[in-house]
Amino acid sequence: NAGVTQTPKFQVLKTGQSMTLQCAQDMNHEYMSWYRQDPGMGLRLIHYSVGAGITDQGEVPNGYNVSRSTTEDFPLRLLSAAPSQTSVYFCASSPQGAAPIYGSPLHFGNGTRLTVT
Amino acid sequence: TQLLEQSPQFLSIQEGENLTVYCNSSSVFSSLQWYRQEPGEGPVLLVTVVTGGEVKKLKRLTFQFGDARKDSSLHITAAQPGDTGLYLCAEPSNTGKLIFGQGTTLQVKP
Repeated sequence: NAGVTQTPKFQVLKTGQSMTLQCAQDMNHEYMSWYRQDPGMGLRLIHYSVGAGITDQGEVPNGYNVSRSTTEDFPLRLLSAAPSQTSVYFCASSPQGAAPIYGSPLHFGNGTRLTVT
Repeated sequence: TQLLEQSPQFLSIQEGENLTVYCNSSSVFSSLQWYRQEPGEGPVLLVTVVTGGEVKKLKRLTFQFGDARKDSSLHITAAQPGDTGLYLCAEPSNTGKLIFGQGTTLQVKP
């Protein structure tokens, strides 16, 4: 059972480059989300989705785009990378109707470590 | 925006000691989750507390939800090196978001 799979594990970009961080889950979870983690700042929500075709902004959405064309996949796009986007990015999912508000756990991937030079 | 404040930010103790970490809010929690994250991995849920005054135990970990649901604590008895990690509290919002505190980094030395 793969759970939440994130690729790549590591990435180095130059300022201004674009790229897509991939996230896939095989648990048929409706709810998916992206977080970034920086030292001393915990996890900050970038974007989230409560189902295919539905996305919404989190706390720090600027500079990132998402789409949700299937239940399984929730890619995160960096349009024009900046050094401030150097971070560890986590994707997480949860079953519908048992979203975090109902106490259901988020299932996290193992993260993508991104460096922008 | 709900703010979650965790304290302390860093804690380094010897094996066998007890410790408590705290999570406080600027307003009333709907419910609260505690996660633990080990290096190189994503966070893993430890517990969810829902009712004011609730106490939950997970082996040597005791989680308490304040009576007024504005604070929560995690107490570890006789800490072990395997308890080392980042402890995060998180609150679900009614819009489906899960907002995290900044975390407490715990190091337990053998």
